[in-house]
Amino acid sequence: QKEVEQNSGPLSVPEGAIASLNCTYSDRGSQSFFWYRQYSGKSPELIMSIYSNGDKEDGRFTAQLNKASQYVSLLIRDSQPSDSATYLCAVNMGDNDMRFGAGTRLTVKP
Amino acid sequence: GAGVSQSPRYKVTKRGQDVALRCDPISGHVSLYWYRQALGQGPEFLTYFNYEAQQDKSGLPNDRFSAERPEGSISTLTIQRTEQRDSAMYRCASSPDTSYEQYFGPGTRLTVT
Repeated sequence: QKEVEQNSGPLSVPEGAIASLNCTYSDRGSQSFFWYRQYSGKSPELIMSIYSNGDKEDGRFTAQLNKASQYVSLLIRDSQPSDSATYLCAVNMGDNDMRFGAGTRLTVKP
Repeated sequence: GAGVSQSPRYKVTKRGQDVALRCDPISGHVSLYWYRQALGQGPEFLTYFNYEAQQDKSGLPNDRFSAERPEGSISTLTIQRTEQRDSAMYRCASSPDTSYEQYFGPGTRLTVT
């Protein structure tokens, strides 16, 4: 069974804080990992991709990957109310077979 | 350039009718995916194509669901003899050859009455 697990939340952080979103996956052979942001009533929007162990930074976003632990995370620094959304973890489990987690709902309070 | 488009955006149909949902991917994208998304859930994988070849249809709920991409571009997801439980948002995404990043269309909201 190919699975991607996320805490459903909701996760609530104050404005300016760091939001930490976590994801685990079942297929040890997975090579590509993605974070999508989905605003209520909208389509998922790609915000980060990561392929190698370690950290990848893009502006206020940092993706972290640990393949040995089958764990990927997303950190959002200086969280803003506009970051309030559902964050979806997606894992490519080989040959473009993409699986999504259920998403973590983040609320950033002013 | 143009993004992924889906049509219709909204579809209301009576139970027992067949429906066809269309996806037009980003030009040149090799891979095309169909998902179903319930409220408050992540996208649920249905099937995907590389070019015109259907690679995996293990996510299709039952044999009333089928999909095709005959020329490796536009795809159609068909649901025969619709049931109320088929009501959901159906999303299509496409991906270029050189990366696995997916780009989603706006979705088709299907309501079966």
